[in-house]
Amino acid sequence: AQTVTQSQPEMSVQEAETVTLSCTYDTSESDYYLFWYKQPPSRQMILVIRQEAYKQQNATENRFSVNFQKAAKSFSLKISDSQLGDAAMYFCAYRSARSGGKLIFGQGTELSVKP
Amino acid sequence: EPEVTQTPSHQVTQMGQEVILRCVPISNHLYFYWYRQILGQKVEFLVSFYNNEISEKSEIFDDQFSVERPDGSNFTLKIRSTKLEDSAMYFCASSNDAEGGYTFGSGTRLTVV
Repeated sequence: AQTVTQSQPEMSVQEAETVTLSCTYDTSESDYYLFWYKQPPSRQMILVIRQEAYKQQNATENRFSVNFQKAAKSFSLKISDSQLGDAAMYFCAYRSARSGGKLIFGQGTELSVKP
Repeated sequence: EPEVTQTPSHQVTQMGQEVILRCVPISNHLYFYWYRQILGQKVEFLVSFYNNEISEKSEIFDDQFSVERPDGSNFTLKIRSTKLEDSAMYFCASSNDAEGGYTFGSGTRLTVV
């Protein structure tokens, strides 16, 4: 069975600085998707970024980028120029590439941003 | 942008009562899901639904739970005889399976008292 592990329950970053959130996963599949979701206090699940395992290039969305290391089964999220609005819980998630696959979430990392 | 709509946003129910959580997935999506998040914990998969039947379910999804797509628009989660430990945020999601993308609803906060 696939598992997702986020080893940092809490992280803190100074406004305008850069922070990296860690995520590792375990799978025997070769084709899959990886995601980072942001959950603010409203508890809505907001997609931050997505990576397809078959793509070697790391995904980037504005200030958010990932470091995808397929062999190491590592998928970290880098937030550059952190803003107060980035404060939230961040979840890493895995999804098999087979049709209709479920999302498997990590435990989450609570990010705080200091002004 | 298309949305997944969930109602109600918050429901309080007495232990032992039945509740129905409602979701309207995105119209051209084919896969539908329910997830649960107990306060302070991670998001857990409950069930996936495709072609009018359950395609996968977790160990959490026991006989207390059922899902239905009664009219081709709504997608419901029924919880029979609710327990205190059913208190959680319940998220509906849908997918057209393109590029692995999901769209989540804003959730229903269920409180069992």
